[in-house]
Amino acid sequence: DAGITQSPRYKITETGRQVTLMCHQTWSHSYMFWYRQDLGHGLRLIYYSAAADITDKGEVPDGYVVSRSKTENFPLTLESATRSQTSVYFCASRTSGSTWGEQFFGPGTRLTVL
Amino acid sequence: AQSVTQLGSHVSVSEGALVLLRCNYSSSVPPYLFWYVQYPNQGLQLLLKYTTGATLVKGINGFEAEFKKSETSFHLTKPSAHMSDAAEYFCAVTGGTGTASKLTFGTGTRLQVTL
Repeated sequence: DAGITQSPRYKITETGRQVTLMCHQTWSHSYMFWYRQDLGHGLRLIYYSAAADITDKGEVPDGYVVSRSKTENFPLTLESATRSQTSVYFCASRTSGSTWGEQFFGPGTRLTVL
Repeated sequence: AQSVTQLGSHVSVSEGALVLLRCNYSSSVPPYLFWYVQYPNQGLQLLLKYTTGATLVKGINGFEAEFKKSETSFHLTKPSAHMSDAAEYFCAVTGGTGTASKLTFGTGTRLQVTL
């Protein structure tokens, strides 16, 4: 499928388990982002990547790990899930030539941590 | 540093009525401003943007927004609401194109359109 996809779309896990959320884009965009969306907070940036093998922290990085070995993939791992990480997670991407604000979003992953 | 305040977490309008969603920003550098729309169970989609130049910007689906520096505002309007406009709308700001200019979102306004 063209565009940006996320998997799984829904995930239920238990406290303490490791969870990986996948993000894949077909546009070869340089930049990729992970956000979490929570009621009353809007979207908050977790991590971003400017290119393969280059990642940096966003506003709320604690408890998350990312990697980017290939331009098209940007997985997000919760090493030991906590209830506070229950949220909807969005992956996004943009070209290096666009402004920071012109991002394309995936459909989201709804994660529930019991 | 930058921030966005969206006044009103919920707005309800009748079909055919004016839509006005309010956004005020704070930025230490000239801002780039954006409105995104999120339909149920979907990701965000860019509705319109202001970077430089004309302060009245038009977007998709008949929406427009005006950048008012003196009021630090970027309100979103549409002359006549349609049922399909029901969604959540996010205002966002960035300080330009530098790597330090990350996108900061408001908390969102849910638009309800009634018959």
